[in-house]
Amino acid sequence: EVQLVESGGGLVQPGRSLKLSCAASGFTFSNYGMAWVRQTPTKGLEWVASISTGGGNTYYRDSVKGRFTISRDNAKNTQYLQMDSLRSEDTATYYCALRDWFPYWGQGTLVTLSS
Amino acid sequence: DIQMTQSPASLSASLEEIVTITCQASQDIGNWLAWYQQKPGKSPQLLIHSATSLADGIPSRFSGSRSGTQYSLKISRLQVEDTGIYYCLQRYSNPWTFGGGTKLELK
Repeated sequence: EVQLVESGGGLVQPGRSLKLSCAASGFTFSNYGMAWVRQTPTKGLEWVASISTGGGNTYYRDSVKGRFTISRDNAKNTQYLQMDSLRSEDTATYYCALRDWFPYWGQGTLVTLSS
Repeated sequence: DIQMTQSPASLSASLEEIVTITCQASQDIGNWLAWYQQKPGKSPQLLIHSATSLADGIPSRFSGSRSGTQYSLKISRLQVEDTGIYYCLQRYSNPWTFGGGTKLELK
């Protein structure tokens, strides 16, 4: 059974950093591209970033480019999202998902920006 | 960015009724479209990919179609468990973009 378990969310001040993790199991992690998608009540669902199987290719939405870094450790079956210079508009539930058609999602981790 | 305009925003329908939700893409996206269902407090679930292909384990009452840049999700006989919010997604070009969602309720 495919499982994706996010962690690392929480309450953080604007301008600070946070690193999300996504632990994967039930499939051959290194064979799949991965992604992060976020959701807010106002903006709905937003694709945030994607990474290729080996980690050599990464893609970001413009609003997070230069601030967020997606990475993965295939030996640990884990992907990450390093979020720096956080802004209030980054408040959201962040989901880890298999890339391409997002056939599997984690349960999400809530990131809240507040001073 | 490609805009995905989803309609209606909300919909109330009766059991066994046929329900159709549409997404209009702002430009040609080919068949690079998916549909998701999300229930309260849960993550989205893939229903349809490649505009018309049923995802694994999804009941056959769900179907997808395409007419030019307009895409439709049809539920042939609405069931109680089909309530929730439905989203479309285009992955033709970055940034991949979702529709605004359609909230489906039982009448």
